[in-house]
Amino acid sequence: QVQLQESGPGLVKPSQTLSLTCSVSGGSLNSGDNFWNWIRQSPVKGLEWIGYVHHTGSTFYNPSLKSRVTISVDASKTHLSLKLTSVTAADTAVYFCARDTGTYPYFFDYWGQGILVTVSS
Amino acid sequence: DIQMTQSPSSLSASVGDRVTLTCRASQSISNYLNWYQQTTGKAPKVLISAASSLQSGVPSRFSGSGSGTEFTLTISSLQPEDFATYYCQQSYSTPYTFGQGTKLEIK
Repeated sequence: QVQLQESGPGLVKPSQTLSLTCSVSGGSLNSGDNFWNWIRQSPVKGLEWIGYVHHTGSTFYNPSLKSRVTISVDASKTHLSLKLTSVTAADTAVYFCARDTGTYPYFFDYWGQGILVTVSS
Repeated sequence: DIQMTQSPSSLSASVGDRVTLTCRASQSISNYLNWYQQTTGKAPKVLISAASSLQSGVPSRFSGSGSGTEFTLTISSLQPEDFATYYCQQSYSTPYTFGQGTKLEIK
C-alpha cells in the first residue's frame, strides 16, 4: 500500500520560500511509470495542480507557478520536495502530494493527508 | 489551460435520491476525465477514471458517463456517507485542472 505524508512549516512569512517534504512509503520514487505531484487547495482557487517529477528527473510545472516552483526527489529516493519562492498570502493553502498512475487512464491514485501552510507575517 | 466547469455548485438532496452532477470542459478532452470525492479535512479520493471506469472498492451506485466536453457523475441512491464535495479533473493535457466542485448536502 502506497502511503504519502507531507511535512514542513505551517507558517511562512511573505517573500520567503515555502519548503515542504513528502515522505513516500510502499511506492518507488526511483523507478516505474508514476509521476509524483504537488497539488494545493485554497478557498479562493480550489484545487490547483502545481507540478510533477518523474524518477528520471523530468519535471513539469503549472505555467502559472513555473517561475517560482521547484519539485525534486531526494538522493535517498524516499522523499519528494516542493519549493515555492517569493510567497504571498495568495499561496496560503492546503498542500497535497499525490501520485499519478503514469499510464492511461491518468489519475491521482494516492494522496497524502495534506498540510496547511499559511503565509503571514 | 483547459477550464473545467461543474454544475450545480451545491445540491441539497435526501437519502435514497438519485442525483446527477455535471462537468464541462472548455475544449474536447476525449474521455480523460476523473471524478473525486472529498470529505472535510481529507484528501480527494478517486471514484471514476476515464469518464466511466469505476475504481476498485467504489460502490456501484456511482457511475460516470460522457466524452468530449460534457460529463456526468450519477449517484443512483444516495447514502449518508455520500454527502461530500465532488470534483472533476481533466488529465488530457498539462496543466491538469479541476472543476470548482459540487457540494452535496443533506436536505
